[in-house]
Amino acid sequence: EPEVTQTPSHQVTQMGQEVILRCVPISNHLYFYWYRQILGQKVEFLVSFYNNEISEKSEIFDDQFSVERPDGSNFTLKIRSTKLEDSAMYFCASSEADGGILFEQYFGPGTRLTVT
Amino acid sequence: ELKVEQNPLFLSMQEGKNYTIYCNYSTTSDRLYWYRQDPGKSLESLFVLLSNGAVKQEGRLMASLDTKARLSTLHITAAVHDLSATYFCAPGGGAGGTSYGKLTFGQGTILTVHP
Repeated sequence: EPEVTQTPSHQVTQMGQEVILRCVPISNHLYFYWYRQILGQKVEFLVSFYNNEISEKSEIFDDQFSVERPDGSNFTLKIRSTKLEDSAMYFCASSEADGGILFEQYFGPGTRLTVT
Repeated sequence: ELKVEQNPLFLSMQEGKNYTIYCNYSTTSDRLYWYRQDPGKSLESLFVLLSNGAVKQEGRLMASLDTKARLSTLHITAAVHDLSATYFCAPGGGAGGTSYGKLTFGQGTILTVHP
């Protein structure tokens, strides 16, 4: 069964460093998303991406964040200068669309980012 | 801004009992999703509810959607230990497609099923 994959599973970085989280969405999906979940809290939307551009972003997704689809398969989230409060589990998700109706979003296993 | 409230937030059940988790949301949404999350794991899609009055069942779980009341329920029948997990509801989309694809998650309901 097709699935969303993410690498790395765990990333430890120092405050102020740049990190890139990688995702490979399901191959026939057209819509891509990033969410994050701070430990013990709810899942929060960061950004949605379609047709090589951002469709929507949340207040969390400030200038320190960027997304890219560098090739036909990868979808990346970059945090330019990490802060302690960026420590969280980051989930990538993808969904297909049919006639303008979005189907469910399939989530990857997540990348746990720890900023020290 | 869409607000989503689930209750209860913590649910301790005995095996074999029935219970309902409620999900209220504040603004019109044309679809709603239920997800399950096991500790330290990702989100597993349980149900996609696409219209008012939609009801879906899978095993011991049944989900329904009332878009007029802005309410979805997840009913658990004859709970078993394997159902222990955190359950999230997430309305998606908005009236006229103003928020295309974005899911707004509730706080989650931590369900523990005891023997």
